[in-house]
Amino acid sequence: NAGVMQNPRHLVRRRGQEARLRCSPMKGHSHVYWYRQLPEEGLKFMVYLQKENIIDESGMPKERFSAEFPKEGPSILRIQQVVRGDSAAYFCASSRQGISNEQFFGPGTRLTVL
Amino acid sequence: KNEVEQSPQNLTAQEGEFITINCSYSVGISALHWLQQHPGGGIVSLFMLSSGKKKHGRLIATINIQEKHSSLHITASHPRDSAVYICAPQQRQGAQKLVFGQGTRLTINP
Repeated sequence: NAGVMQNPRHLVRRRGQEARLRCSPMKGHSHVYWYRQLPEEGLKFMVYLQKENIIDESGMPKERFSAEFPKEGPSILRIQQVVRGDSAAYFCASSRQGISNEQFFGPGTRLTVL
Repeated sequence: KNEVEQSPQNLTAQEGEFITINCSYSVGISALHWLQQHPGGGIVSLFMLSSGKKKHGRLIATINIQEKHSSLHITASHPRDSAVYICAPQQRQGAQKLVFGQGTRLTINP
């Protein structure tokens, strides 16, 4: 049973470009969470999605950031017109539907904006 | 005041020592996670607990819901235990999202 998969593991973008980060949840998991870890800072919640629904996006920056979790395929975190301050590690976690929502983390994508 | 406070922030010990990391939180929770982040950056979930105590190998996690406090213990510590340990309460309300402590950086010297 493969764990949570994220790709790419490392992503380099120049200022103004777009970054697309992918997260494939564990088999049987229909809930995805995205977290960001800025350099020398702790993890922060960004967004929580179920298939085809955004449940809670209270941690997402108001502009340039969007997330989706389509019926088929991975969850995508999209950052438009990246800036140097977007450089961070982005982790996703997945969980089953239900009360005991244990979250399993992916290896993360390290985004570097030049 | 942060919703999650961990102590100590940094801890250096000798191999074999008994390690305790503490976590206090102020939010209402459905569960609490302990996570391990190695220097390479990957995150591993060590425990998810909602009451009492759990043990896995040399690791023990306890939680006191009434006092809003949890501890992570490592027995017979080893240099490979060197990592950042993160306490992450899972909020009871809404999306049950995790809130994170700042982490405890543990270094075990041989």
